[in-house]
Amino acid sequence: EPEVTQTPSHQVTQMGQEVILRCVPISNHLYFYWYRQILGQKVEFLVSFYNNEISEKSEIFDDQFSVERPDGSNFTLKIRSTKLEDSAMYFCASNPRGGGTTDTQYFGPGTRLTVL
Amino acid sequence: GENVEQHPSTLSVQEGDSAVIKCTYSDSASNYFPWYKQELGKGPQLIIDIRSNVGEKKDQRIAVTLNKTAKHFSLHITETQPEDSAVYFCAASGPRDTGKLIFGQGTTLQVKP
Repeated sequence: EPEVTQTPSHQVTQMGQEVILRCVPISNHLYFYWYRQILGQKVEFLVSFYNNEISEKSEIFDDQFSVERPDGSNFTLKIRSTKLEDSAMYFCASNPRGGGTTDTQYFGPGTRLTVL
Repeated sequence: GENVEQHPSTLSVQEGDSAVIKCTYSDSASNYFPWYKQELGKGPQLIIDIRSNVGEKKDQRIAVTLNKTAKHFSLHITETQPEDSAVYFCAASGPRDTGKLIFGQGTTLQVKP
């Protein structure tokens, strides 16, 4: 069964450093998402991406964040200058058709980001 | 603003008993309501979902009910088993047509053998 994959599973970085989290969505899906989950808290929406552009973003997704689909298979989340409060589990998700019919979103296993 | 409230935060039941988790949502434009199960160290896994044109949906031991007027939806697990122990999240679709999901706070379900 196809699944969303994410790398690395755990990333440790120093405050102020740039990190790139990588995701490979399910191949025929069209909408892609990043969510984050701070330890013990709810899953929070960061951004949705369709047709090579951001379709919606949350207040959390400020100028320090960016997303890219560089090669038609990978979907990346970049944090330019990490802060301590960016420490969280980051989940990628994909959706076959996106809004309207609101098809099922499939989540990856997550990348745990630790900012020291 | 967009919000989903989920209760209870923790739930402990004996094996074989039923478990019920309840959620309320704020945005009347939400029309899709999935439930996810999250095991330790893993991503959320969809277990059941319901769309706004349906009041109830069942899949074996799991059922979901939706009351659009009251903006409530609930997850019902019957004949619980120890392997049902996990964190369960409800979610509601955002008002825009992007597939964004707004999650509840999560319920830690413990099924005691």
